[in-house]
Amino acid sequence: QVQVQQWGAGLLKPSETLSLTCTAYGASFRGYNWKWVRQPPGKGLEWIAEKDHSGTINYNPSLKSRLTISVDTSTKQFSLKLSSVTAADTAVYFCQLSGIADYFDYWGPGTMVTVSS
Amino acid sequence: QSVLTQPPSASGSPGQRVAISCSGSSSNIGSYTVKWYRQLPGTAPKLLIYTDNQRPSGVPDRFSGSKSGTSASLVISGLQSEDEADYHCATWDNSLNGPVFGGGTKLTVL
Repeated sequence: QVQVQQWGAGLLKPSETLSLTCTAYGASFRGYNWKWVRQPPGKGLEWIAEKDHSGTINYNPSLKSRLTISVDTSTKQFSLKLSSVTAADTAVYFCQLSGIADYFDYWGPGTMVTVSS
Repeated sequence: QSVLTQPPSASGSPGQRVAISCSGSSSNIGSYTVKWYRQLPGTAPKLLIYTDNQRPSGVPDRFSGSKSGTSASLVISGLQSEDEADYHCATWDNSLNGPVFGGGTKLTVL
């Protein structure tokens, strides 16, 4: 059974850097697509960034200038840093693991990140 | 503003059939397969339908998906109270070069 776990700070001040990390148990690190997705309160889902099964990292263009994605294959961790946060970055952030097979699709429980002065 | 368009709400009585639409364009639904997710309050989305109309193991056959052109639909038959949730459609978009989602539809069982 695949379990995705994620962790990181939940309360930030404007201009600080959001930092989240994700890992999965029961699945190998390579050969899968790893994504970060966020959901502002009461709104829909928005893709942030992805490391695909070939190792290529893609970013949502609207966030790219503030994003840093890192991958640590030795610890099997997938990390997100979003700099210069504002209130508009307040959201639940999810880590998603998917495979080449469409039915392989697992999400972390989500981390509520609030940006407030 | 989500790339894919879903109605914000839908409702039905127990036992009824409800359809939720998802409208996109040639750069997303028109070119790629669609997934549907179900999300209960305070939890992560869970895969309900993949490859337009396939159900993962454990999903009842009351849930079905279809796609035509640049639109997709999720149909729930024999509505049950536990079906109350938010439903999201998703697919790939070759303009964004990433996945896109609908704004979500809140289903209420009357």
